[in-house]
Amino acid sequence: SQQGEEDPQALSIQEGENATMNCSYKTSINNLQWYRQNSGRGLVHLILIRSNEREKHSGRLRVTLDTSKKSSSLLITASRAADTASYFCASRGAGSYQLTFGKGTKLSVIP
Amino acid sequence: NAGVTQTPKFRVLKTGQSMTLLCAQDMNHEYMYWYRQDPGMGLRLIHYSVGEGTTAKGEVPDGYNVSRLKKQNFLLGLESAAPSQTSVYFCASTAEVRRSTDTQYFGPGTRLTVL
Repeated sequence: SQQGEEDPQALSIQEGENATMNCSYKTSINNLQWYRQNSGRGLVHLILIRSNEREKHSGRLRVTLDTSKKSSSLLITASRAADTASYFCASRGAGSYQLTFGKGTKLSVIP
Repeated sequence: NAGVTQTPKFRVLKTGQSMTLLCAQDMNHEYMYWYRQDPGMGLRLIHYSVGEGTTAKGEVPDGYNVSRLKKQNFLLGLESAAPSQTSVYFCASTAEVRRSTDTQYFGPGTRLTVL
């Protein structure tokens, strides 16, 4: 399988705390993306980081990329109950038309 | 602007039956994808298309066929359904790949059970 791995598989935090999720991938990439999935719904794109970038911000989201370690992390600051969802990383291989998704981190934010 | 729509939303099949899942997008996207999502497995790519009239195999293509006769539609067929094909199926589309606007838009999913 070419799938990457997310860590942890599940995370439970209190509202207002920060949540950090990690992702590893296997091949050289063009970009890495993070998606969110609410229960029973389709995935929604959150943020994209290119292979030549090391950090990117979007609102309460911060993504880092370490191509030497083939890893990325997603930080959600000041979490809210509405952030409860599963989060997936997806890597776009160099020259590929495909996205390879990780297995996801299930985040629960307790009010 | 409906985005990506999938038909049907739910379906129950008996082993050996056939069916077609329809994906439609109204964003004029070139690239379309079919994934399946199983518990603990994340999303796995079944087939994809890089333009009208083209299709290619993904990670788990066995037991499925696809067609892209029109740019806006991507059909996924199961010729002889098996219980192992019980899953949630997602369609996605994107306008560009490998650029800053590389974003996949997902449909709401089709929940398929094969008895």
